[in-house]
Amino acid sequence: KAGVTQTPRYLIKTRGQQVTLSCSPISGHRSVSWYQQTPGQGLQFLFEYFSETQRNKGNFPGRFSGRQFSNSRSEMNVSTLELGDSALYLCASSLWGDTQYFGPGTRLTVL
Amino acid sequence: DAKTTQPPSMDCAEGRAANLPCNHSTISGNEYVYWYRQIHSQGPQYIIHGLKNNETNEMASLIITEDRKSSTLILPHATLRDTAVYYCIVRVAPDSNYQLIWGAGTKLIIKP
Repeated sequence: KAGVTQTPRYLIKTRGQQVTLSCSPISGHRSVSWYQQTPGQGLQFLFEYFSETQRNKGNFPGRFSGRQFSNSRSEMNVSTLELGDSALYLCASSLWGDTQYFGPGTRLTVL
Repeated sequence: DAKTTQPPSMDCAEGRAANLPCNHSTISGNEYVYWYRQIHSQGPQYIIHGLKNNETNEMASLIITEDRKSSTLILPHATLRDTAVYYCIVRVAPDSNYQLIWGAGTKLIIKP
């Protein structure tokens, strides 16, 4: 079975721009979670989607949003980018919220 | 906040067993212990999880104390590729939060 895939792997943006990251879960998995990882804050939960519905959200500003499609693929969007948004963004999939399997991540650099 | 305490770093000789401890003294009866590892700048890799019985898979063994207040992840024959940050996480599965709360983990360095 193919693992979780994330695109793009690397991204460079400038402050004020917006960005969309994509995640394709493991086939058959219906839950997708997103995490942000920075050197200072470590791994932090952004949100989780199941069957196109957001079930839980972490403590991030409204500039961070996401959605899930009927095929379970998910996207997250960050608007009005700030320097502090530079991070590794990780997507994880699970069958229904149980054991999560992570993708390789998208490295976002904001200049 | 993370509900686990791990040593910040550990060394282990290649070919020896690596034993990584984790304290979770406030664990609830319905909370599982999960272990992940993250090799530099890659996505975390699931290793193993358990509730109260010891568990073993092709990667590692998980030993949970009888009172469930601590556990040990054992990599039986460590290789250089096992150098990574290892995270111990407790969570209810399934739970209403569907999130993993991460601590700082243990940086394990395997030495030749």
